[in-house]
Amino acid sequence: TQLLEQSPQFLSIQEGENLTVYCNSSSVFSSLQWYRQEPGEGPVLLVTVVTGGEVKKLKRLTFQFGDARKDSSLHITAAQPGDTGLYLCAAVNSGGYQKVTFGTGTKLQVIP
Amino acid sequence: DVKVTQSSRYLVKRTGEKVFLECVQDMDHENMFWYRQDPGLGLRLIYFSYDVKMKEKGDIPEGYSVSREKKERFSLILESASTNQTSMYLCASTQGSKKNIQYFGAGTRLSVL
Repeated sequence: TQLLEQSPQFLSIQEGENLTVYCNSSSVFSSLQWYRQEPGEGPVLLVTVVTGGEVKKLKRLTFQFGDARKDSSLHITAAQPGDTGLYLCAAVNSGGYQKVTFGTGTKLQVIP
Repeated sequence: DVKVTQSSRYLVKRTGEKVFLECVQDMDHENMFWYRQDPGLGLRLIYFSYDVKMKEKGDIPEGYSVSREKKERFSLILESASTNQTSMYLCASTQGSKKNIQYFGAGTRLSVL
């Protein structure tokens, strides 16, 4: 089973601060996804990165896929209370059914 | 919008009871999944199904079974609930042409006493 470690596990910051969340594995991924889960809801897909070194931006969120496709980072600029939630990375495995393996999660709290 | 509906948001059951968790999706998705979510462990795959009456074990199938009699419905069954099955259970489905995008239900929080 592919193991995806996220760091930090918890993060509590003030509104306006920047932060970075990391997702690491010893295995190579075919692609990697980031999901956000708000309290009382299921995770929702934010982005998929496919190519080593790829950078994608979603407003104040910047996602990067490592050159070797073993790691990824999520950077949030000027965090807002609406960014509060659980952030999950997920590795997409190649193969017929394309199972997704989720990371351990980073719980973010942005304080107004 | 894709909708994945889990029948219960909260369930409280006793040790040894048989428990059914139901999930319905309304977008004719081929693949459906059951995960459990525990703090610090992320989401762990219990079972998935790629077609009616077909099922595949995930990473932690022990103590669980599943049923998929209709394309839109995927049921998770705890044959004899135990306290270590207290958890949040999430159902997801994926679109045939975009298998990578998982659409999740809101979850069922199960407590086994």
